[in-house]
Amino acid sequence: AQSVTQLGSHVSVSEGALVLLRCNYSSSVPPYLFWYVQYPNQGLQLLLKYTSAATLVKGINGFEAEFKKSETSFHLTKPSAHMSDAAEYFCAVSEAAGNKLTFGGGTRVLVKP
Amino acid sequence: GAGVSQSPRYKVAKRGQDVALRCDPISGHVSLFWYQQALGQGPEFLTYFQNEAQLDKSGLPSDRFFAERPEGSVSTLKIQRTQQEDSAVYLCASSFDPGSYEQYFGPGTRLTVT
Repeated sequence: AQSVTQLGSHVSVSEGALVLLRCNYSSSVPPYLFWYVQYPNQGLQLLLKYTSAATLVKGINGFEAEFKKSETSFHLTKPSAHMSDAAEYFCAVSEAAGNKLTFGGGTRVLVKP
Repeated sequence: GAGVSQSPRYKVAKRGQDVALRCDPISGHVSLFWYQQALGQGPEFLTYFQNEAQLDKSGLPSDRFFAERPEGSVSTLKIQRTQQEDSAVYLCASSFDPGSYEQYFGPGTRLTVT
């Protein structure tokens, strides 16, 4: 069985500061890992994905994440927060391409001016 | 082309009523998923279709939940005799084929059971 833990249900950052969202996973097989963003009243949008290629993955809007097998982690970062980054972020794991996603509980990001 | 669309966007039902939620996937997408997102939580898998075949319904919480995709495109999630615990956002996602990593999500239907 797979599971995802996101540390911190709420994160507050100042505009221009580093954004760091933590995600740890468990999986019985080599995982596929994803970060999604959800804006109010909208569906989830894929930010980036890890599919067993490069461990440092770059996504849209300046976000990137690093897969660390030894730590079973896939933390999301962005060097400089923008007001438009205020949203909820979900980490997800899948056992294979095309399989169902198992999501973490989400982290809501507030960006202060 | 258009993305995944869902209707209605909002649904209020009295406890005990039946509801039907519709999902229009991206045209040509073979795979279709339904997820349930309770307030303040991450989405949870309900069921999966490949074309018209329902290959996985392990996430459906009870036999009151039923999903279909008869022609391999539009899908309907039906909930019979709704209960308060069914209140949630129901998300539909589609992907091009079973080998695709990316799932494209619709905006969801927010169901409130009173």
